[in-house]
Order: sequence, then C-alpha cells, then structure tokens
Amino acid sequence: KNEVEQSPQNLTAQEGEFITINCSYSVGISALHWLQQHPGGGIVSLFMLSSGKKKHGRLIATINIQEKHSSLHITASHPRDSAVYICAVRGHGGSQGNLIFGKGTKLSVKP
Amino acid sequence: NAGVTQTPKFRILKIGQSMTLQCTQDMNHNYMYWYRQDPGMGLKLIYYSVGAGITDKGEVPNGYNVSRSTTEDFPLRLELAAPSQTSVYFCASSYTIERSGELFFGEGSRLTVL
Repeated sequence: KNEVEQSPQNLTAQEGEFITINCSYSVGISALHWLQQHPGGGIVSLFMLSSGKKKHGRLIATINIQEKHSSLHITASHPRDSAVYICAVRGHGGSQGNLIFGKGTKLSVKP
Repeated sequence: NAGVTQTPKFRILKIGQSMTLQCTQDMNHNYMYWYRQDPGMGLKLIYYSVGAGITDKGEVPNGYNVSRSTTEDFPLRLELAAPSQTSVYFCASSYTIERSGELFFGEGSRLTVL
C-alpha cells in the first residue's frame, strides 16, 4: 500500500466547475505539500500545510491531521488549470530530506 | 531571480557513458534535492544536501553521485549509464525543511539511455 494515495487518478471537468482532489496518507507528518506539474513538465509549489486551511486565488487547500487527509479545491475551473496535481508529505524524523510523493491527479478542464 | 536552473533539458546517452546534470539556485537556499520521475510513479528522492559540503542518500541513490561544494550548485553525476536510469530528473531547493520549507523546482532534465 502506498503511503500517499491520491484520488481520482484522472479527472475531466467542464470550465467553471468546482473541483476537488483528495490526498490520504498513512504516516504521521510534519507538513503536506500540494504541487502543480504543467503539461510542459515544470513543477510549481502551490501550498504547504501543517494544519487547517490555506487559500490562494481560486485554490483552497485543507488538511485534517486526525483523519490523515487533505483536499485541494479549485473554484471556477479554467482550461489553464489543466495539469497534474501532486500531493507530498514530510514525515516526522527519519531522513530529513525525504518527501513521500503521491502519483498525481491529472486534471483536464474542457472549455 | 532565475530560481532553480537545470541543464541540460534533454540528453540521450549510450549504455556505459557518464554525464553530469547541473543544478544551480540563486535563492541562497540551504537544502537542495535531486528527484527522478518515472511514468505513472511519484517522484523519488535520489540525493539531498542540507548545506555546502553535506550530502546524503535518498530513496534511490544507486548509480548516482553528488557533490555540494557551494551553496548554489548541486550537480548529479551518472556513472556508467544504464537503461534503468531513463527518467526525468528534477532538482529542487528549499530554505528549510521546517514549516516554511516551500519547494522550488527546476524545469527538469529528460534523460534517455539507449
């Protein structure tokens, strides 16, 4: 069983729809990252969370530490939101460098 | 600021050849990382560094070497390239791994070993 599971793996939406991408993890964590990988391959950090909720523009990220679950929401989706969204967690202790990455959710927003 | 710069963007190697992927950051970040991304898989950590002169192995270090002689540079060396090293490689950096440790990624280097 992967330590970080994302759902869905693929998601197709119509422009304007509200989108939710989920991330569940099985280890205790000190932080959780949401990343966006553009179709060209570049990766951009969207959020880093250790508790609660963060908002940036049309993007909202939430985390429930007790339930080991995070969600990324996109309001009023747009074709330019089409990308792969990656969840990554940093555990307590162990290798200081190691983030554990999910396999990503591929989002396609149709006009 | 340029952020994290990786070169080359693309490279084809023959089995047994060696090469170095270059990574430079201009944000004075302490932490630097090399990841590989294989199709359908999450990113895997190859090596990381917490500062100049200090490096450590990640999850998949075999077949690779790194050095960190300066804060800015973190090259990844592939010795005796093998087809299993065909992948997309990403260099990343962060100021700290603690609560403010936002990650900054390079644009990636696509390597094919034939």
